[in-house]
Amino acid sequence: EAGVAQSPRYKIIEKRQSVAFWCNPISGHATLYWYQQILGQGPKLLIQFQNNGVVDDSQLPKDRFSAERLKGVDSTLKIQPAKLEDSAVYLCASSLDTEEAFFGQGTRLTVV
Amino acid sequence: AQSVSQHNHHVILSEAASLELGCNYSYGGTVNLFWYVQYPGQHLQLLLKYFSGDPLVKGIKGFEAEFIKSKFSFNLRKPSVQWSDTAEYFCAVNGGQAGTALIFGKGTTLSVSS
Repeated sequence: EAGVAQSPRYKIIEKRQSVAFWCNPISGHATLYWYQQILGQGPKLLIQFQNNGVVDDSQLPKDRFSAERLKGVDSTLKIQPAKLEDSAVYLCASSLDTEEAFFGQGTRLTVV
Repeated sequence: AQSVSQHNHHVILSEAASLELGCNYSYGGTVNLFWYVQYPGQHLQLLLKYFSGDPLVKGIKGFEAEFIKSKFSFNLRKPSVQWSDTAEYFCAVNGGQAGTALIFGKGTTLSVSS
């Protein structure tokens, strides 16, 4: 079974630039999550999709972050403009309801 | 507020030593509990999970965890660690209802020396 695919693996940008991350979940998984993991901390939920609808985006900084999941499969997370404090690993995960979430390798973003 | 607390930030052990990592949670209602592991350079993967039933659950690689509802705890244990257990360990919780997201603790880094 193919896992959760994310790209790119690494990205370095200057502050105030924009960046986008892509995620392809496990086939058939209706629920998709984006998490932010800052160094030394556990993953923090940014947004959760059920198919192509948003379930929870209460912790998404909507002035600069946006996410979409067109057709209920792939998803993109965008940051515009980026700040230094956005440096983190961005994790995508997918699941079947309350069953375990399967995580991708993540995208390590460095904002300089 | 919903939260997960992991007591140990960094644990250093010698091979064959026993391991116990503490985890306490604050979450109203029914919960599902998880331990995830992240080996160096790899993605997060599930170690074990508790949904209901026997509060002592066994996972992969000889790990086990005990759910103590009265203490809101879900501690991870292994009788004898190996060098290959060096990794970061995360405790997580979600609600029992379908589609609730995981809330993670800050993680515990385990370093095992051979």
